[in-house]
Amino acid sequence: IAGITQAPTSQILAAGRRMTLRCTQDMRHNAMYWYRQDLGLGLRLIHYSNTAGTTGKGEVPDGYSVSRANTDDFPLTLASAVPSQTSVYFCASSDGLAGGNLIQFFGPGTRLTVL
Amino acid sequence: GQNIDQPTEMTATEGAIVQINCTYQTSGFNGLFWYQQHAGEAPTFLSYNVLDGLEEKGRFSSFLSRSKGYSYLLLKELQMKDSASYLCAVLDSNYQLIWGAGTKLIIKP
Repeated sequence: IAGITQAPTSQILAAGRRMTLRCTQDMRHNAMYWYRQDLGLGLRLIHYSNTAGTTGKGEVPDGYSVSRANTDDFPLTLASAVPSQTSVYFCASSDGLAGGNLIQFFGPGTRLTVL
Repeated sequence: GQNIDQPTEMTATEGAIVQINCTYQTSGFNGLFWYQQHAGEAPTFLSYNVLDGLEEKGRFSSFLSRSKGYSYLLLKELQMKDSASYLCAVLDSNYQLIWGAGTKLIIKP
């Protein structure tokens, strides 16, 4: 399967529970990203990784953590979910940081509801 | 602060032409992207502008004026399948994408 896969497709979670959203890409892209998308707002960057072994904080990192143990996988963890984390989460990847390599390709998304 | 502005919603007729505008104020500029997003689906890449001028790709064209902080996406010969949201995004000085809230385009027969 070429591209980016995310799991689960959707999830309903009780507040206070821990949850890991999975993201895997097979394009050997260097950079990976996690966004959340809420109605009426643009995509907001949560965390990113420019290359395996490194991560950085985006615009809205609080309550989330990531790891990048290898090139392909970039899981996002909610340590203790809260209702405000109800959103659609997209994982994306790009080959690099210059020119045409900047184009980001998106996974299908995970729809998360925290009750 | 950083800001990307685009209209919330636009309506157009099948077969017509529509122009979706985007204005931006960001800390630095390393390119502007347009993405298409159908309801319930992931965004997909349409175009990338880093220099002033018009980039044409089939029925879709994108224009950039860096001095005015302005871009537009032009869609010609509209088809029903073009009904979607169109997202404008700017790559800032930290090479992070700043996204607009998107323009929902409704195509009527």
